[in-house]
Amino acid sequence: GQNIDQPTEMTATEGAIVQINCTYQTSGFNGLFWYQQHAGEAPTFLSYNVLDGLEEKGRFSSFLSRSKGYSYLLLKELQMKDSASYLCAVMDSNYQLIWGAGTKLIIKP
Amino acid sequence: NAGVTQTPKFRVLKTGQSMTLLCAQDMNHEYMYWYRQDPGMGLRLIHYSVGEGTTAKGEVPDGYNVSRLKKQNFLLGLESAAPSQTSVYFCASGSGRSQVETQYFGPGTRLLVL
Repeated sequence: GQNIDQPTEMTATEGAIVQINCTYQTSGFNGLFWYQQHAGEAPTFLSYNVLDGLEEKGRFSSFLSRSKGYSYLLLKELQMKDSASYLCAVMDSNYQLIWGAGTKLIIKP
Repeated sequence: NAGVTQTPKFRVLKTGQSMTLLCAQDMNHEYMYWYRQDPGMGLRLIHYSVGEGTTAKGEVPDGYNVSRLKKQNFLLGLESAAPSQTSVYFCASGSGRSQVETQYFGPGTRLLVL
């Protein structure tokens, strides 16, 4: 079956760095996405990786290793507004997105 | 440019009642999707459409029907609501599989079935 695993909840301190991991097993691979979802709101796109390596976009970076079925989202200089759930999703061979349950990130002052 | 909009935002139904959720997008996207989101679970695809007049089943289609009569609209119907359909429903749209398939989400509809 297809499976996306990510931690349920993480806590970090304002100004610090946090890494959110995602491992996946899917039928085929057409890219990995990270979305941010604030409580009670819609998911919004953060990043896309299809090749191995690190993609940097401001305070956020996303890494992919296809051979290991592994990705992480790195958030630097954490701000209170970064408190949200972070969703990992993989596009499978049918171009369907398979979603993880999300990681709730709590930022403390 | 409103993006993706959904109506209603919140609804309470009794078991056995029917309703239709409306999704509209103004980005001229070909692809549209209906997901449900439940606590502790990832988004699950109910139905999707790759263009006007076409629909296809997703991961959890039972109990739902859809129609895409116009490119900008995607309707999700519940013919006979059940408590197991209590969830948050998100509509999304995307440009198509020939490009990086970033999906744009609507604000969600919170449905409670009693």
